[in-house]
Parts: sequence; C-alpha cells; structure tokens
Amino acid sequence: GNSVTQMEGPVTLSEEAFLTINCTYTATGYPSLFWYVQYPGEGLQLLLKATKADDKGSNKGFEATYRKETTSFHLEKGSVQVSDSAVYFCALSSYSGAGSYQLTFGKGTKLSVIP
Amino acid sequence: SAVISQKPSRDICQRGTSLTIQCQVDSQVTMMFWYRQQPGQSLTLIATANQGSEATYESGFVIDKFPISRPNLTFSTLTVSNMSPEDSSIYLCSVEDMGGLYGYTFGSGTRLTVV
Repeated sequence: GNSVTQMEGPVTLSEEAFLTINCTYTATGYPSLFWYVQYPGEGLQLLLKATKADDKGSNKGFEATYRKETTSFHLEKGSVQVSDSAVYFCALSSYSGAGSYQLTFGKGTKLSVIP
Repeated sequence: SAVISQKPSRDICQRGTSLTIQCQVDSQVTMMFWYRQQPGQSLTLIATANQGSEATYESGFVIDKFPISRPNLTFSTLTVSNMSPEDSSIYLCSVEDMGGLYGYTFGSGTRLTVV
C-alpha cells in the first residue's frame, strides 16, 4: 500500500532560519504530492502541490520538488517567520480504482519559530 | 476550489451522548470524506460518503458508532454516537478539488472534547 514518511518533530527554528522538512513516499502508479499546513486551532490548508515528476510546487515562500528517482518531496523555505509556526503534513494522492483516489498522510511535523 | 462550512467548530460533550457534525459545500461534489485527527496525530479516514448510497467505512470504524448521512450533493453529516473520552479528537470533512490528483479541500474542523 501507499505510505508517506516525514521527519519527526518538533522542529524549533529562529526567525529567518532556513527550513527543510523531509518527506519520502511509497506508492504505486503516478501519485500527486501535497504539503498541507495546520495552524493552531484550525483545519488543514493546502500549501502546495506537484502532480508529476520534476514539478516544483511553491506558495508563500515555501517550495517542494517532486523527485521520482528518490521518491521524495522535501519542503523548504529560505527564511521562516514566527507566523509559519504550524504543523506540516506531507501527503500523496493516487488512483485506487473505480474512479476514486486515495489520500495518504504522513504523521505531521510541528514547526515552532521563535523570534 | 470548493469552500466548506463545517459546524460546530468545537463542543464539549458528556460521555454517552451523541454529536452531529455538519458540512456544507458551496458546489456539488460526488464524494465527501470524513477524517478523525486524534490529539497530536495525523489524519485517519473514517469513511467516504457518496450521495444516494451508504457510506463506505474504513477498517476500525463502524456505522453504528459513526453514522453518516449524505442527502444531496452539497451536504453531509457525521454523528459520533455514545461518546467516550477516547472520542475526543478533531473531526474534519473533505472534498476532492477538481479530481483527487489535484488536491483536497478541508473544512475547518470540529474540535470535540468528551468529559
């Protein structure tokens, strides 16, 4: 079956530091890859996505590149802000047959950014 | 992308009672998904709700505990029945965004505490 593995948290960074959250996946076929963000007390928001190999998703200064050869989709940001403090989930969506898709989440990485 | 209105946003309930969570989507969608997020954990799919048919439950979830209604293409409810403290979680609904390979939109979640 499909699976997503992302680095354990929590991650604590100082403001303006560089962020990397590693994510690797196992899937059959050609999955799409996502990063979702959950701010404290809120639901999930789609942060960025990539639907095929070598695609780069980007949003709000965050980037991730779909690397099929290493089955990875690492999240990066060059300079984090306090407002980036949240839980980040890596996820994949793949076709599961009969016209439906299966969404699989990683366990989430909590990021805390301190001033 | 779709916009989902989910309510209540939070509730504190007595054990043994039931709570019904509602999700309203601003467009017609074929499938709606219900997830549970236990404290500090990732999301676990409870069931998939198609309009006009019974919901499909994932392993470990049963209809008697989590009955779901899907009366039309824009609305669904999830009931958490005969609650115990172990049911304290965030419950989220979700819909596919232009097909499962392009992402999913989530409601803002219902934070349930059972005392």
